[in-house]
Parts: sequence; structure tokens; C-alpha cells
Amino acid sequence: AQSVAQPEDQVNVAEGNPLTVKCTYSVSGNPYLFWYVQYPNRGLQFLLKYITGDNLVKGSYGFEAEFNKSQTSFHLKKPSALVSDSALYFCAVRDISGGGADGLTFGKGTHLIIQP
Amino acid sequence: DTEVTQTPKHLVMGMTNKKSLKCEQHMGHRAMYWYKQKAKKPPELMFVYSYEKLSINESVPSRFSPECPNSSLLNLHLHALQPEDSALYLCASSQGRDSYFEAFFGQGTRLTVV
Repeated sequence: AQSVAQPEDQVNVAEGNPLTVKCTYSVSGNPYLFWYVQYPNRGLQFLLKYITGDNLVKGSYGFEAEFNKSQTSFHLKKPSALVSDSALYFCAVRDISGGGADGLTFGKGTHLIIQP
Repeated sequence: DTEVTQTPKHLVMGMTNKKSLKCEQHMGHRAMYWYKQKAKKPPELMFVYSYEKLSINESVPSRFSPECPNSSLLNLHLHALQPEDSALYLCASSQGRDSYFEAFFGQGTRLTVV
């Protein structure tokens, strides 16, 4: 079975400061990892994914994520936070050994609040 | 065009009503999905269609009936719903069922069952 954990319900960051949203995963094989963002009453927007290759993945809106196999983590980062980054962030995983047929498994989500 | 379009945006229905949710994409994606999202919770997978055939039904009650008329359209037919079925229903699509494809989501239909 595959799962992801987002240990923080909420992260508060001052505008202009770096931000990190944490995610750890558990899969039986090698993982495919994704980050999505959701604004109020909206669908999910894809930010970035890790498939293979470089452990540092760059995505949309200045976000990046670092894959760490030994720590089974895939933390989302941004060097300088904007107020408009305030939203709900979901980490998600797919286990490649599962054949990809079972959609995404999401973490519970982390509310990111950027304070002016 | 990286858009998944869902209609209607909002729907209020009685427990005896029959209604349908619609989803459309023109990205040539061959896998389409229905997710259910309760407030402050992550999306939960309901159905997966691959090449217009139902490949996964995550033990969803029969009052939810999916349909994929063609590769661009996905419907979710609703009948005799319960108030606890009130949620945001999200449609998504991806290039295929392979795990490395990211999914693109629509904005969702906010369903309220009264």
C-alpha cells in the first residue's frame, strides 16, 4: 500500500521569507511524487513532480521540491514567499509497482498562510 | 489548452432527484477520473476510466453511476443521494494510466444534497 504524510496542518511564514511544506511517503517500490495546490472552492493545480533523475525538482510559480530517498521525504520549498501563495497544499504519490491504475493517493493537506 | 471543464459549478438537489455532473477535456488525454472531496479533506478516488473503459471503481455506492461517452467527456449520474454525499466533486484527466503522468483537475462541482 502507498501513503503520504503531511505532518503539519498549517504553516505560517512571513512574506519574503523562505517556506517549506513537509511530506514523507511510504511505498513498496519506487515512488512517483507530486505536489498540488488548491485555492478556496477551486480544483487542484499541479505544481511539480518527481519521477527520476535530479533530486531537486523545479515547478510552477517558483516552487521546487527536494526528493530524499533515505529520509523518504519530498518537501516543497520556495525561496521567497508571496501572500498569494496562501492556499492548501497536497502531496501525492503513485507506486510504480502498482501499474499506475489506481490514481493518486493524497496526504491530508497543509494550509500555508503567508503573512504580509 | 490544459483545461478540464466541469459543469455545473454548483448543484443543489433533493434526495429523490436525478442529476448529472459533466466533465470535458480537449487535451487528448486517455485517462479520466472522478474524485470526491469533503471539506478540509484530501480528494478521494471514486472512478478511473482508461480509453473510455471503466478500470477502477473504488467501492462507490450504486447511486453514483459514471459514464464515458467518448474520449473527451466524462459524466457522473446521481440518483437518490444522501445528505452525506454533499461534497466537492472533482474531475481529472491524464495522458494515460501510467504512474508518471500528472493529473489535471477541473474546478469541481459543489454538490449539496437536501
